Amino acid sequence: QLQLQESGPGLVKPSETLSLTCTVSGGAISRNSYSWGWIRQPPGIGLEWIGSVYYGGSTNYNPSLKSRVTISVDTSKNQFSLKLSSVTAADTAVYYCARIDTSGYYWYFDLWGRGTLVTVSS
Amino acid sequence: SSELTQDPAVSVALGQTVRITCQGDSLRKYYASWYQQKPGQAPMLVIYNKNSRPSGIPDRFSGSSSGNTASLTITGAQAEDEADYYCNSRDSSGNHLVFGGGTKLAVL
Repeated sequence: QLQLQESGPGLVKPSETLSLTCTVSGGAISRNSYSWGWIRQPPGIGLEWIGSVYYGGSTNYNPSLKSRVTISVDTSKNQFSLKLSSVTAADTAVYYCARIDTSGYYWYFDLWGRGTLVTVSS
Repeated sequence: SSELTQDPAVSVALGQTVRITCQGDSLRKYYASWYQQKPGQAPMLVIYNKNSRPSGIPDRFSGSSSGNTASLTITGAQAEDEADYYCNSRDSSGNHLVFGGGTKLAVL
């Protein structure tokens, strides 16, 4: 049974770079039918897609975050990662990693990690 | 447009039927998927490909779509269905994903 688990610092200082890793267990990240994404949810607010990566390394980013986001994949470790630069308090959120089924015309998030809270504060 | 619009809150009497809607231009081209999120938990997929349910999702959950509006219907709502519900689809460009603002469902 495939599982996703986020890891990384829970506290980041303003202006620094937020770095998170998602480890995929129970299955290979190198599958053609899926991409791997990051979603965030500020406290008490809704979900925001940050971006996605295919196992070959191609990426798609939310236009509103594109200038600050880098998502990469390491197939040897079965992991993918998020870097968000120049963070402010507005980037405080629960960050989720998820698998995205891209096998058809309609894409959807079929598996989610449990999420990790990242607080931006000095 | 890359936006999906949902009503912030909806209520339903126990055992009755409720429809949660999601509007956006991209829905004329792409079907929505729907996610249930309970407090302190990650979202969970309940409907995809317009009206398909993942294994384990009760058949009281169904989806539909017409024009720029997607709907999630719960027929015979149960107390455990009280949660936030989010719609999601590809945006009009097809390259990005977008979520609706979420609907808080209260089961009375």
